[in-house]
Amino acid sequence: DFVVTQSPDSLAVSLGERATINCKSSQSVLYSSNNKNYLSWYQQKPGQPPKLLIYWASTRESGVPDRFSGSGSETDFTLTISSLQAEDVAVYYCHQYFTTPRTFGQGTKVEIK
Amino acid sequence: QVQLVQSGSELKKPGASVKLSCKASGYSFTTSAINWVRQAPGQGLEWMGWINTNTGNPTYAQGFTGRFVFSLDTSVTTAYLQIGSLKTEDTAVYYCARGKGDGYNYDSWGQGTLVTVSS
Repeated sequence: DFVVTQSPDSLAVSLGERATINCKSSQSVLYSSNNKNYLSWYQQKPGQPPKLLIYWASTRESGVPDRFSGSGSETDFTLTISSLQAEDVAVYYCHQYFTTPRTFGQGTKVEIK
Repeated sequence: QVQLVQSGSELKKPGASVKLSCKASGYSFTTSAINWVRQAPGQGLEWMGWINTNTGNPTYAQGFTGRFVFSLDTSVTTAYLQIGSLKTEDTAVYYCARGKGDGYNYDSWGQGTLVTVSS
């Protein structure tokens, strides 16, 4: 199976500061025929279902604040929150859909310092 | 608006079975796949598989074959997850999620159903 590994497992960032989460897949998720990376990011707040933030590695879902951005290609990806807000406290998951079974990273917990 | 509403919490004994529902509204049901995702207590997300709502064809992830069955009733725009021979390790929240567009990304989620398996 594809394995996706996130780092760090948790991080604490001051309000207004940048938060960076990394995701590494065991194999490339770049599909050469359409040049798309089959990777997305989800945010899950306590007691809530996950919410789609980013897909195709860098496309922001409608309604998602522009402080959230995704980057990377092939095996290495990053989710950046440019200016952390209190409402961003959550667990963030990357998700590869290049192949079945689709797999999630283990999650990164973001807290306020 | 797109909405997925799941059935309520379940408490079952080991060996029993359970059938969870996911009622969709606000869009054409047969145009978007339904995915199922499991989250054990305090753990991460685990993709269980998906069902093609146009054909009814299910795809199961490894580890979710045999005891797990995805099904549909398109007349009531509802997807179902049935779990047989329940084990204590099946205790988890089960989410249904709509696959947007080509089905790869899950843009609308149910609120989740907690299944507790305990003797």
